[in-house]
Amino acid sequence: GAGVSQSPRYKVAKRGQDVALRCDPISGHVSLFWYQQALGQGPEFLTYFQNEAQLDKSGLPSDRFFAERPEGSVSTLKIQRTQQEDSAVYLCASSITSGNYNEQFFGPGTRLTVL
Amino acid sequence: KNQVEQSPQSLIILEGKNCTLQCNYTVSPFSNLRWYKQDTGRGPVSLTIMTFSENTKSNGRYTATLDADTKQSSLHITASQLSDSASYICVVIAASGGSYIPTFGRGTSLIVHP
Repeated sequence: GAGVSQSPRYKVAKRGQDVALRCDPISGHVSLFWYQQALGQGPEFLTYFQNEAQLDKSGLPSDRFFAERPEGSVSTLKIQRTQQEDSAVYLCASSITSGNYNEQFFGPGTRLTVL
Repeated sequence: KNQVEQSPQSLIILEGKNCTLQCNYTVSPFSNLRWYKQDTGRGPVSLTIMTFSENTKSNGRYTATLDADTKQSSLHITASQLSDSASYICVVIAASGGSYIPTFGRGTSLIVHP
């Protein structure tokens, strides 16, 4: 595809449910990032992949959050036993190579609402 | 703790006017600073990326400045258009080996009125 795509665009979950959010990066992009953006706030870094390797997961807020990118392309962010404070927009971004200077291309996000 | 502060929190201007958004940061060690535009309901789009040695960078009607000594950046928008209405987010990237450590500001919400 032409850009980063995410699915679903909207997800409503009952507290305690598990959810899985998908990110399709731009084809050939090595690096993939997940961010959490609460209402009215800037995004906050969650985790970062270089190909299939998860190089940094320091931003994951708890062990209920798990991300994977098994084949170095599509990535899934899984949240177990969702809580109301998990309600946010989850953004995925990719860049063509690793390194701090590369432009990141963001997807439209998945808006998660936990009731 | 690394922090990025943006001001003003929100701004309303008339179409055709100029405006300047501010970003102050305490991020170390500094790698680069980015400005993003985020339309409602969409992901951020990169406007500029500036490294330590760059003082100014332009992208059309957007001009970003960086003063690494005072740790301040600004984004100047010239001849604003209705489509400029969005949130503008300042992001500072820290350099730490091979790790990528971004710190985001909360953004400035800009509304351009006709």
